[in-house]
Amino acid sequence: AQSVTQLDSQVPVFEEAPVELRCNYSSSVSVYLFWYVQYPNQGLQLLLKYLSGSTLVKGINGFEAEFNKSQTSFHLRKPSVHISDTAEYFCAVGAHNFGNEKLTFGTGTRLTIIP
Amino acid sequence: DSGVTQTPKHLITATGQRVTLRCSPRSGDLSVYWYQQSLDQGLQFLIQYYNGEERAKGNILERFSAQQFPDLHSELNLSSLELGDSALYFCASSEWGEGKTQYFGPGTRLLVL
Repeated sequence: AQSVTQLDSQVPVFEEAPVELRCNYSSSVSVYLFWYVQYPNQGLQLLLKYLSGSTLVKGINGFEAEFNKSQTSFHLRKPSVHISDTAEYFCAVGAHNFGNEKLTFGTGTRLTIIP
Repeated sequence: DSGVTQTPKHLITATGQRVTLRCSPRSGDLSVYWYQQSLDQGLQFLIQYYNGEERAKGNILERFSAQQFPDLHSELNLSSLELGDSALYFCASSEWGEGKTQYFGPGTRLLVL
């Protein structure tokens, strides 16, 4: 089985400052990884995903993430945040060749941007 | 707009009752997933259907059941409702294959009183 740990439940950041949201996973098989964002009172929206190949993945709204197999991490970064980035961010993991496509989600990180 | 629709948006009911949540996937998507989001449990995978067949099961209670119909819409049935079933229920859909993006609907907020 796979599991995901999002180490920070809340991250406050000043506007225009950089941010990193941490995600670590556990799996006995090779994985693919997602970052989703949830704005208030909305469903989840894909930010970016890693399937294979290049470990640096770029997504929407200026976000990027780096897959690190040795550290089993998939941290999300943005060099300069905006007020509109205030939301909850979820990391999710799926397993290659597992027989189904279910995702296991982390508990989420609430990003608050301080003007 | 993800293209996934869910009805109703809100549902208020009493303990012991039964409700049905409905989901229409994006056009062309054969896979449908149901998730429960609550404050204490986070986002939990319940069940996946692919083209009418159950494909994967998560932490779904025996009081809950789901199905996917020939037109690919899906329904999640929750029965003998308890206070603890109050949560946001999301449906997602995707194309066939691992690593495909799951597109989430806006959710149904269930309140059990």
